[in-house]
Amino acid sequence: EDQVTQSPEALRLQEGESSSLNCSYTVSGLRGLFWYRQDPGKGPEFLFTLYSAGEEKEKERLKATLTKKESFLHITAPKPEDSATYLCAARTEPELTFGGGTRLMVKP
Amino acid sequence: DSGVTQTPKHLITATGQRVTLRCSPRSGDLSVYWYQQSLDQGLQFLIHYYNGEERAKGNILERFSAQQFPDLHSELNLSSLELGDSALYFCASNREGLDEQFFGPGTRLTVL
Repeated sequence: EDQVTQSPEALRLQEGESSSLNCSYTVSGLRGLFWYRQDPGKGPEFLFTLYSAGEEKEKERLKATLTKKESFLHITAPKPEDSATYLCAARTEPELTFGGGTRLMVKP
Repeated sequence: DSGVTQTPKHLITATGQRVTLRCSPRSGDLSVYWYQQSLDQGLQFLIHYYNGEERAKGNILERFSAQQFPDLHSELNLSSLELGDSALYFCASNREGLDEQFFGPGTRLTVL
């Protein structure tokens, strides 16, 4: 059975304090690893797609990386507006299998 | 704004009732996916439609059904509602040949 696990469940950072979120996956035939941002009560917002080990993608203060078993979302010098839940998802078939998310809180 | 629209935004109903949730995909997208997000289960895939045809089913209860119409909008029908069906229901769409799914704002269903 395909499984996606995210850690930590919650993370509190001070503004400017860099950190990383982890997504580990056990799937057969990975066809893409996705990162989304979700604000409370809203739909997930697409951030990145990664396809192969060693691949990296960046957007503003966020950088996503992929290995054969894990993906990391690195947040550099976060700001309060980066507070949200970050979801990763693995695609084996067209649908996505999501992890439980990491709730990030950045304090000013 | 992802371009995916969902109505209604909120729905409050009673146990045993039936409701219909509606989704319009982004212009040009042929696929529609439905997901359920509850506090204890996270985001779970329910069903996938492509150009009017059902393509895959996930953890969808027999009390739930969906369809996609010729204009590509989709409806998710939930019947014999139970308290445990209270959740956020999202639809997503993507373009043929591209993997990224774009999510709508969701419908919050509360069953009392």
